[in-house]
Amino acid sequence: DQQVKQNSPSLSVQEGRISILNCDYTNSMFDYFLWYKKYPAEGPTFLISISSIKDKNEDGRFTVFLNKSAKHLSLHIVPSQPGDSAVYFCAASLIIQGAQKLVFGQGTRLTINP
Amino acid sequence: DGGITQSPKYLFRKEGQNVTLSCEQNLNHDAMYWYRQDPGQGLRLIYYSQIVNDFQKGDIAEGYSVSREKKESFPLTVTSAQKNPTAFYLCASSMRNYGYTFGSGTRLTVV
Repeated sequence: DQQVKQNSPSLSVQEGRISILNCDYTNSMFDYFLWYKKYPAEGPTFLISISSIKDKNEDGRFTVFLNKSAKHLSLHIVPSQPGDSAVYFCAASLIIQGAQKLVFGQGTRLTINP
Repeated sequence: DGGITQSPKYLFRKEGQNVTLSCEQNLNHDAMYWYRQDPGQGLRLIYYSQIVNDFQKGDIAEGYSVSREKKESFPLTVTSAQKNPTAFYLCASSMRNYGYTFGSGTRLTVV
């Protein structure tokens, strides 16, 4: 039962254009959503997050949008840069028996072409 | 400089062997986690621990064991019962509600 899904395994975008990564979830109890960026053979690094009570959070070139009615979130990167090429994971947070548990999507490999 | 250290970076295991992956953090985080990454499957939770001397199974705990004798340390043992252990293993830690900080990972290969 995949509670968090990233349906696009890969995405290719021209440098300078907008990259849009999508994520869907099924559990309405998730209270926080995060995006992580991962380079090969390294651990994921935190990028941006959004609380379930908000619909948008912006940090520089990165904006996350949350549509609770559709159970959908997206990450916008604009303008896209070559250094943005990586695998992006969305994650949803749940508190179970006092512990925070993150459920991750499968990841989307973003390639920025010069 | 606070962070999470995983060692070794690369590990080779023979069939039938147990191996232990190390994870140490100096962030004073209460909770620690082990995830496994396989191509196309994202990150799957193996075990997690909220406090010392307590841990819970995640979604794919079979064939793995952990201990949490110290707040800073959460080693993962991959036992011979794990039928497909070749993967990239990630350790993480967190303070409640603040997301995770990940280590740099250990790539385990069965030879």
